[in-house]
Amino acid sequence: AQSVTQLDSHVSVSEGTPVLLRCNYSSSYSPSLFWYVQHPNKGLQLLLKYTSAATLVKGINGFEAEFKKSETSFHLTKPSAHMSDAAEYFCVVSLSGGGADGLTFGKGTHLIIQP
Amino acid sequence: NAGVTQTPKFRILKIGQSMTLQCTQDMNHNYMYWYRQDPGMGLKLIYYSVGAGITDKGEVPNGYNVSRSTTEDFPLRLELAAPSQTSVYFCASRTAGELFFGEGSRLTVL
Repeated sequence: AQSVTQLDSHVSVSEGTPVLLRCNYSSSYSPSLFWYVQHPNKGLQLLLKYTSAATLVKGINGFEAEFKKSETSFHLTKPSAHMSDAAEYFCVVSLSGGGADGLTFGKGTHLIIQP
Repeated sequence: NAGVTQTPKFRILKIGQSMTLQCTQDMNHNYMYWYRQDPGMGLKLIYYSVGAGITDKGEVPNGYNVSRSTTEDFPLRLELAAPSQTSVYFCASRTAGELFFGEGSRLTVL
């Protein structure tokens, strides 16, 4: 069985300061890991993905995430927050190789950017 | 390239009514999904399909039905609407691990 835990339901940072959104996973197999972003009243959009290549993954809009197998973590970071980053972020784990229903979503982290 | 298109975007139903949420994708993806999103609960999988003519239940299928007659279309049907089905519904298609989402359908059952 696989699961994913987003450690913070809400994160608030000031514009221009670093962002850290935490995600821990459990999986019996080599996982693929994803971060998705959802802006208000929109669908989810892929930010970045890890699929067993480089452990540091760069995504869109300056976000990156590091896969740490020893810590079973896949935290999302950005050096400098922008007001447009305010959104809901989802960490997703997938069994390596797919499986049509093998996707598990975290409950989401709401990122608030203070001016 | 439209991606994944869902209709309607908003709908209010009375208890016991039926309706169909439409989903179409133009990326020729075999895998398609229906999720519901409730506040603070993330996304829950309702049904999925691995190709035309093949569907299977997800985590929360009760009260819903789907069909997949073509690669492009994956409609979700609510037969007897209940207040517990008030939610935002997302359709998605998938390739190489990446999901592509529609913009959602907000359904309220009163």
